[in-house]
Amino acid sequence: AQKVTQAQTEISVVEKEDVTLDCVYETRDTTYYLFWYKQPPSGELVFLIRRNSFDEQNEISGRYSWNFQKSTSSFNFTITASQVVDSAVYFCALSLNAGNNRKLIWGLGTSLAVNP
Amino acid sequence: DAGVIQSPRHEVTEMGQEVTLRCKPISGHNSLFWYRQTMMRGLELLIYFNNNVPIDDSGMPEDRFSAKMPNASFSTLKIQPSEPRDSAVYFCASSTDRAITIVPTGYTFGSGTRLTVV
Repeated sequence: AQKVTQAQTEISVVEKEDVTLDCVYETRDTTYYLFWYKQPPSGELVFLIRRNSFDEQNEISGRYSWNFQKSTSSFNFTITASQVVDSAVYFCALSLNAGNNRKLIWGLGTSLAVNP
Repeated sequence: DAGVIQSPRHEVTEMGQEVTLRCKPISGHNSLFWYRQTMMRGLELLIYFNNNVPIDDSGMPEDRFSAKMPNASFSTLKIQPSEPRDSAVYFCASSTDRAITIVPTGYTFGSGTRLTVV
């Protein structure tokens, strides 16, 4: 069975702190894709990153970085020097390369509050 | 590009009434997804269309829910009769075939419809 677990339900930090959001996934497939989305208080879902299962390179985009480790089935997301605007719910998702089916399997999200 | 357009943004209705949610996918996208988001269950895929044909409707909660995609540019999600437990945010998303292998974003979501059934 496929599953995405975001064990941290809520995280609260003070501005400028670094914070890591955990994501652990389960799948027996060898080809799959992992995503992170951000949902700010306004409610829309904003794409952050996609990573395929064959690319284990870590990625950095400004203050955001992602650590993909197949050995531990984890795809963690770190925000460096957090800002109030980073306050949102963050979702990790798994998509299988399963023929015609393009289901995304979602974690329950981590609510991040960055306080001034 | 106008993005995925959903209407209405908010809907308040009385229990027992019929509710219709609408979605216009991005032009050229041939896959369309309806999701429901609640605090208790998170994001749930309700139904997925590919080339206007329903591929996976295993997430549709019960017979009160139905979805149609009469053409490539329009889809509806109907709840009849509505119940208070249907209160949620309903998202529509679209993508192209093999989008996850070609298009980094994979899926483009609409802004959602917040449904409240009283």
